[in-house]
Amino acid sequence: GAVVSQHPSWVICKSGTSVKIECRSLDFQATTMFWYRQFPKQSLMLMATSNEGSKATYEQGVEKDKFLINHASLTLSTLTVTSAHPEDSSFYICSARVGDSNQPQHFGDGTRLSIL
Amino acid sequence: DAKTTQPPSMDCAEGRAANLPCNHSTISGNEYVYWYRQIHSQGPQYIIHGLKNNETNEMASLIITEDRKSSTLILPHATLRDTAVYYCIVRVADTGGFKTIFGAGTRLFVKA
Repeated sequence: GAVVSQHPSWVICKSGTSVKIECRSLDFQATTMFWYRQFPKQSLMLMATSNEGSKATYEQGVEKDKFLINHASLTLSTLTVTSAHPEDSSFYICSARVGDSNQPQHFGDGTRLSIL
Repeated sequence: DAKTTQPPSMDCAEGRAANLPCNHSTISGNEYVYWYRQIHSQGPQYIIHGLKNNETNEMASLIITEDRKSSTLILPHATLRDTAVYYCIVRVADTGGFKTIFGAGTRLFVKA
């Protein structure tokens, strides 16, 4: 149980385009999902907390107009990287929590984004 | 910032127990300790979590000291596939809830 699916697993696109990444909880409902970014040889960095039916909470330094997060249902959150540039190239990972706030997070397999 | 400190790397022989330490001296009474691991180019995998009692599941055991200022993750019989970065996490309180902040973790090398 507690499977989180992320799509696509990798994407290559041209500079200036927008890219949408989907995060789905397959066998449970997730009121809260999280988005992380990871650069090579670095740890995960929390970008934002996504709550179903409300606006996402962004971490300091993360541009909310650049990284649009929508959590329209209890099983789906999306991250859209708008007007992507090469410096946005990274490994993006989502996670979701099952049950109460003390329960662990379960992570997707990540999306590797490369902007040319 | 992460609320835990871990050694940057450790080696372990295949088949032996891997004991990964973690210090969390500022942990408060109602905060859990969570362990995740990340194998190269994959999303993190949840391993185990605990509050004050020792915990065991099919993957590992978690030993938490009585004062809760440190803990040890034990992989009883490490295999080559256990080579990964292991993260010990105590969540950070924030307005509206808790955040899971990843530190640098411990890079475990299991050697044949």
